[in-house]
Amino acid sequence: KNEVEQSPQNLTAQEGEFITINCSYSVGISALHWLQQHPGGGIVSLFMLSSGKKKHGRLIATINIQEKHSSLHITASHPRDSAVYICAVRATGTASKLTFGTGTRLQVTL
Amino acid sequence: EAGVTQSPTHLIKTRGQQATLRCSPISGHTSVYWYQQALGLGLQFLLWYDEGEERNRGNFPPRFSGRQFPNYSSELNVNALELEDSALYLCASSLQVNTGELFFGEGSRLTVL
Repeated sequence: KNEVEQSPQNLTAQEGEFITINCSYSVGISALHWLQQHPGGGIVSLFMLSSGKKKHGRLIATINIQEKHSSLHITASHPRDSAVYICAVRATGTASKLTFGTGTRLQVTL
Repeated sequence: EAGVTQSPTHLIKTRGQQATLRCSPISGHTSVYWYQQALGLGLQFLLWYDEGEERNRGNFPPRFSGRQFPNYSSELNVNALELEDSALYLCASSLQVNTGELFFGEGSRLTVL
């Protein structure tokens, strides 16, 4: 079993829909990152969380440390949101080594 | 302000050769991380450099090595290339170790023939 599991693996949504991507992990962590990877490979860091909730524009990320679970929400989705979304955790005591989920491929259509 | 820059964008080598990839972090960032994303696989942590020293490495053989220069830029060297080394190699930098947000470069795509 992977230390970081994401669901769903693939997601297709229509423009305007509310989207949720889930991430579960099995180790104690000091931080969790949500990353966005566009075709071609470039990666943008969306959020870094250690507790609670963060919001940036139409993106919201939440984390429940006790349940070892995080969610990434996209409100009013748009075709430009189409990308792979990757959850990554920094396990406690691992000196900056990140463990990545396999990603969720999101396609938003008109 | 310039982001993390990587070069070359694409590199084609043959088996047994050596590849060198370069990364310039954001100005002021002292930590540089290298990751490998092989086709069909997720991102995997390769190496972490901070203040000129290798601080941690992932589960990769010794033919993957690198260094960090006094200006905090970094090189990743892959010796004795194998076909399965074909991947996107991503570099990231951060201002603070362990607590800092990561900023990624666009990556270097290495193809081994």
